[in-house]
Amino acid sequence: GQQVMQIPQYQHVQEGEDFTTYCNSSTTLSNIQWYKQRPGGHPVFLIQLVKSGEVKKQKRLTFQFGEAKKNSSLHITATQTTDVGTYFCAGSSGTYKYIFGTGTRLKVLA
Amino acid sequence: GAVVSQHPSRVICKSGTSVKIECRSLDFQATTMFWYRQFPKQSLMLMATSNEGSKATYEQGVEKDKFLINHASLTLSTLTVTSAHPEDSSFYICSAIPQLNTGELFFGEGSRLTVL
Repeated sequence: GQQVMQIPQYQHVQEGEDFTTYCNSSTTLSNIQWYKQRPGGHPVFLIQLVKSGEVKKQKRLTFQFGEAKKNSSLHITATQTTDVGTYFCAGSSGTYKYIFGTGTRLKVLA
Repeated sequence: GAVVSQHPSRVICKSGTSVKIECRSLDFQATTMFWYRQFPKQSLMLMATSNEGSKATYEQGVEKDKFLINHASLTLSTLTVTSAHPEDSSFYICSAIPQLNTGELFFGEGSRLTVL
């Protein structure tokens, strides 16, 4: 079945440093979404990417969808302590069913 | 934004008993809801797709007789863990898509089940 892997599994950064998480799907995706889950909380939607090669920005966050629509990345510039949490990508092959990636847990050291 | 509510947020039960978890869409109608299971520090594993007025669609490896899903109305889906065992202890989360054109999933707060 479809698998969605993320690297790294964990990342510790000093506040102010940049952070990137990479998402790779075993199959071609129709679209990909990104979610953030704070410790003890539930996932919260960040963004959806649909087009091949698409790049979207939200303040310090930059999201990219690969040309082959099998990979994606999330880059955070100048991390802040509020960025702490686990970031999940979630891919769909064209239905409303999304398979979540393995997640990247980010810790930001003040 | 859309609100999805889950109840209970925490439940502790004895081995062999059944536990029902409710997922409600508070300000929209959801013909489709999704149930996930999440182990500590792991990803969300899709268990099943709950369809209003019809049978749920279960993912491979998920026992449909173990995890009963009922979606009797456009705002409520329930997950019943039957004859619970300690290995069923987990964080169960539901989600729904308020607007099909955006595909954005809204999640409930989650329900932490502990089976003694």
